[in-house]
Amino acid sequence: NAGVTQTPKFQVLKTGQSMTLQCAQDMNHEYMSWYRQDPGMGLRLIHYSVGAGITDQGEVPNGYNVSRSTTEDFPLRLLSAAPSQTSVYFCASSLSGPMNTEAFFGQGTRLTVV
Amino acid sequence: AQSVTQLGSHVSVSEGALVLLRCNYSSSVPPYLFWYVQYPNQGLQLLLKYTSAATLVKGINGFEAEFKKSETSFHLTKPSAHMSDAAEYFCAVSSVEYGNKLVFGAGTILRVKS
Repeated sequence: NAGVTQTPKFQVLKTGQSMTLQCAQDMNHEYMSWYRQDPGMGLRLIHYSVGAGITDQGEVPNGYNVSRSTTEDFPLRLLSAAPSQTSVYFCASSLSGPMNTEAFFGQGTRLTVV
Repeated sequence: AQSVTQLGSHVSVSEGALVLLRCNYSSSVPPYLFWYVQYPNQGLQLLLKYTSAATLVKGINGFEAEFKKSETSFHLTKPSAHMSDAAEYFCAVSSVEYGNKLVFGAGTILRVKS
């Protein structure tokens, strides 16, 4: 099994551009989430989904959109990139939610906004 | 109040020495607690988790952690550090109080000196 796959691994955007970070999992997990990782701040939750068709906001949702049309895919859209969105982005999935099940993480997408 | 506090953003130990990484959490209800490890340029992987069974939890690679409710702590230890343990370690908490969210600490970078 591939686990959680994120694409691209690296991306440079100009301020104001939009793009979609892709995330796919092949473990039939219901729960998926997006985090951003910044130095000294750990991982902060952007958006999450408890199943197909259901999404909700995390701690830092502004400037990002998500959708969950299938169980497997959970793309993250940057609507109009800003330098403050320069970060490493991780997608994660777990069987039934974070309370007592392991979260599996992708390899990350390193995004630079210039 | 900070949900998860990791004392020490950087910890340095000699090879063969005890590793102690500190984590204190905030939760008014029984928590689920996790330690994740991140090796350079990789995603996070689970080291161990506490889910209200035994208070001393053993994980992979010789790590263990003890849940102490009275101290609201979940410190990570390993008796003898190995060079391959050099990585960043994250403590995380989830509970009914946090809804469907996993909240991470800021992380501790472990350096192992030869």
